[in-house]
Amino acid sequence: DAKTTQPNSMESNEEEPVHLPCNHSTISGTDYIHWYRQLPSQGPEYVIHGLTSNVNNRMASLAIAEDRKSSTLILHRATLRDAAVYYCILRDVPGTASKLTFGTGTRLQVTL
Amino acid sequence: NAGVTQTPKFRVLKTGQSMTLLCAQDMNHEYMYWYRQDPGMGLRLIHYSVGEGTTAKGEVPDGYNVSRLKKQNFLLGLESAAPSQTSVYFCASSYLGGPDTQYFGPGTRLTVL
Repeated sequence: DAKTTQPNSMESNEEEPVHLPCNHSTISGTDYIHWYRQLPSQGPEYVIHGLTSNVNNRMASLAIAEDRKSSTLILHRATLRDAAVYYCILRDVPGTASKLTFGTGTRLQVTL
Repeated sequence: NAGVTQTPKFRVLKTGQSMTLLCAQDMNHEYMYWYRQDPGMGLRLIHYSVGEGTTAKGEVPDGYNVSRLKKQNFLLGLESAAPSQTSVYFCASSYLGGPDTQYFGPGTRLTVL
């Protein structure tokens, strides 16, 4: 699996937007970019995924660079409940069973 | 719709004891997975299953066995527990044909003394 690089930690104030970066310079043309998050003492939770175009859902937005070597997860208004570890993961061949390669992710702290 | 549930939530074992962790999903997913997460680390895949009656090894399968007798259940067994198996265990499931979005259970915290 191609590797991803994320900052170890980030901080944000509540109600402000948060941009979580992810570098994946060795991404292949068929790799999907997935984001999961893990709240304290819980299992990981799917956030969003995309291939080439920017994506939006009720939780977040995903901005993908034109060369696909990096992407950014955008939380439009961070709340205290968004404090979690965010994982950027590359997945090939959707629709087949295979492991998610979790790195150490970015620990997001949200303060009042 | 409970999603993915895991039993038990916590367990303490002595070295050499055996136990079985149960994962159940009510989403009719074909794929199921068992991961472990050690402190400060990401998840690592132990075993997975692509359907009833089939299992496959993941990244760290040694010391574990699995069974998928029913589509909705995936069991993880430890035959002779070791302190190195102290970890949090997560089960996940996903459906065939989708982007393989995995849905995770709440985890089982296992301590082996």
